[in-house]
Amino acid sequence: DQQVKQNSPSLSVQEGRISILNCDYTNSMFDYFLWYKKYPAEGPTFLISISSIKDKNEDGRFTVFLNKSAKHLSLHIVPSQPGDSAVYFCAAILGNEKLTFGTGTRLTIIP
Amino acid sequence: DGGITQSPKYLFRKEGQNVTLSCEQNLNHDAMYWYRQDPGQGLRLIYYSQIVNDFQKGDIAEGYSVSREKKESFPLTVTSAQKNPTAFYLCASSMEFYSEAFFGQGTRLTVV
Repeated sequence: DQQVKQNSPSLSVQEGRISILNCDYTNSMFDYFLWYKKYPAEGPTFLISISSIKDKNEDGRFTVFLNKSAKHLSLHIVPSQPGDSAVYFCAAILGNEKLTFGTGTRLTIIP
Repeated sequence: DGGITQSPKYLFRKEGQNVTLSCEQNLNHDAMYWYRQDPGQGLRLIYYSQIVNDFQKGDIAEGYSVSREKKESFPLTVTSAQKNPTAFYLCASSMEFYSEAFFGQGTRLTVV
């Protein structure tokens, strides 16, 4: 039972344009969400997070939006750069439970 | 520099053999985790430990074992009972159980 879903396995975006990565979840009790970025043969690195009491968090080129009524969050990258090409995982935390990860979206930035 | 270290980066094992993957952190984190990554399946939790001398099964613990004798170390043993051991294994740690996790560089295990 996949509680955190990333329905797009891949996404291609032109350099300089906006990349939008989506994530849906089923458990309305999740109270903290995170995005991780992963290059091949490396461990994921933390990118940005958002608490369930907020609807937006911004850090430089990265913005995460949370729509609790739709159980949906998205990561916006503006402007997209070649170094952004990676697999992006969203993750959710419920109380003091473990991190639950989505299946990942492979983002390719086209020069 | 503080961080989390996994070794080796690549590991080959013959069928029927047990193998142990190392994970060490000097971040003074209480919680440590082992994940497995397979194509199209994201990151799946194998085992986790919230504190020294305590660990819990994750979603796919069968065929694996762990120990947590020291705060900084959380080795994972892939036993011969694990049916599909070939995968990319990731170790992570966090200050508290429900906080942001920091990952190691991963170990790619191939069973031949």
